[in-house]
Amino acid sequence: TQLLEQSPQFLSIQEGENLTVYCNSSSVFSSLQWYRQEPGEGPVLLVTVVTGGEVKKLKRLTFQFGDARKDSSLHITAAQPGDTGLYLCAGAGNDYKLSFGAGTTVTVRA
Amino acid sequence: DSGVTQTPKHLITATGQRVTLRCSPRSGDLSVYWYQQSLDQGLQFLIQYYNGEERAKGNILERFSAQQFPDLHSELNLSSLELGDSALYFCASSTQWGEAFFGQGTRLTVV
Repeated sequence: TQLLEQSPQFLSIQEGENLTVYCNSSSVFSSLQWYRQEPGEGPVLLVTVVTGGEVKKLKRLTFQFGDARKDSSLHITAAQPGDTGLYLCAGAGNDYKLSFGAGTTVTVRA
Repeated sequence: DSGVTQTPKHLITATGQRVTLRCSPRSGDLSVYWYQQSLDQGLQFLIQYYNGEERAKGNILERFSAQQFPDLHSELNLSSLELGDSALYFCASSTQWGEAFFGQGTRLTVV
């Protein structure tokens, strides 16, 4: 059983469309991170959110941390083929142990 | 470049053998994590070390062991290898805020 549940598991959209990926947990985290992983490579950190209700924007990507610090969402506006990849959320507890969700595979078709 | 170095990048070995994977964390990071990722699977947490001490253990088999040395590099030892151990093994080091920086991984193939 994953501590962090990500949905959907797979997402395939056309270039220019918007998408949202969700990360939910029953646990409270001191921080939550989003990573993107390409095949055969290590995950790359996109953002860290720390404060409940926090919203961070990174160009076309918007990250939100839930008020109770248990869930998060990643929204991509006007997706591009370069956004294709495996998106992973990870929660850090007070002991700094990182727990990863199973990931959402995003495919953006040109 | 994440600053985390893993060696070797690829490893092919036979069943029953023992291998050692090596990880050098980013300068200044005290925490090292090991993860296993099988084909089409998510990242499975194996073990975490902090400043030389084991801090957390995940789904690590008894055939696997790890350690972190005084210079903070870490090694993951996999023994009595089985076909099902074939996977990508990632090492990550983290800041005090838990942000992880991953190495390029070691692709282990057991034949």
